[in-house]
Amino acid sequence: NAGVMQNPRHLVRRRGQEARLRCSPMKGHSHVYWYRQLPEEGLKFMVYLQKENIIDESGMPKERFSAEFPKEGPSILRIQQVVRGDSAAYFCASSESRGNTIYFGEGSWLTVV
Amino acid sequence: QQQVKQSPQSLIVQKGGISIINCAYENTAFDYFPWYQQFPGKGPALLIAIRPDVSEKKEGRFTISFNKSAKQFSLHIMDSQPGDSATYFCAASNAGGTSYGKLTFGQGTILTVHP
Repeated sequence: NAGVMQNPRHLVRRRGQEARLRCSPMKGHSHVYWYRQLPEEGLKFMVYLQKENIIDESGMPKERFSAEFPKEGPSILRIQQVVRGDSAAYFCASSESRGNTIYFGEGSWLTVV
Repeated sequence: QQQVKQSPQSLIVQKGGISIINCAYENTAFDYFPWYQQFPGKGPALLIAIRPDVSEKKEGRFTISFNKSAKQFSLHIMDSQPGDSATYFCAASNAGGTSYGKLTFGQGTILTVHP
């Protein structure tokens, strides 16, 4: 059973460009979470999604960031007009339901130059 | 109220020794307390977790101790091995309210186990 798959693993973007990070949850999992880890810090919750629904986006920056989890296909975290401060590791996690343990992917490392 | 404070920031232990990492929380709505292990360039992996209805949980060399009145919990790694060298994060969530997965993480502890 494959784990949570994230791609790309590493992404370099120039300031002002867009970054799209993809997450395929574990088989049978319909709940997805996105976390951000800044250098030398712990992970910070960003957003919690179910298929076609955003359940909790209380950790998302108000501008430039958006997330979706369509009926078909992976969950996407989109960052528009990236700035240097967006450089971080972005982790996706999935669970079978809201009452189950979550499992993290290997992360996507975004570098903004 | 949402913070989870973790200490120490870094820890050096000799092989065979006991590693102890502590966490404290404020939000009394938290009812799920996992510990994660993270190696460089990898995602966090769940080590062990506890609910507040028990004061201790042991899995192999890893033990969580939980003190509900003090709002503190700790991870003990017995017989520490060089392969345990990693960053350890405590976390907490209001599993009964929002979900298990909306976790508040501590700042992390870098553990180094010398051979």
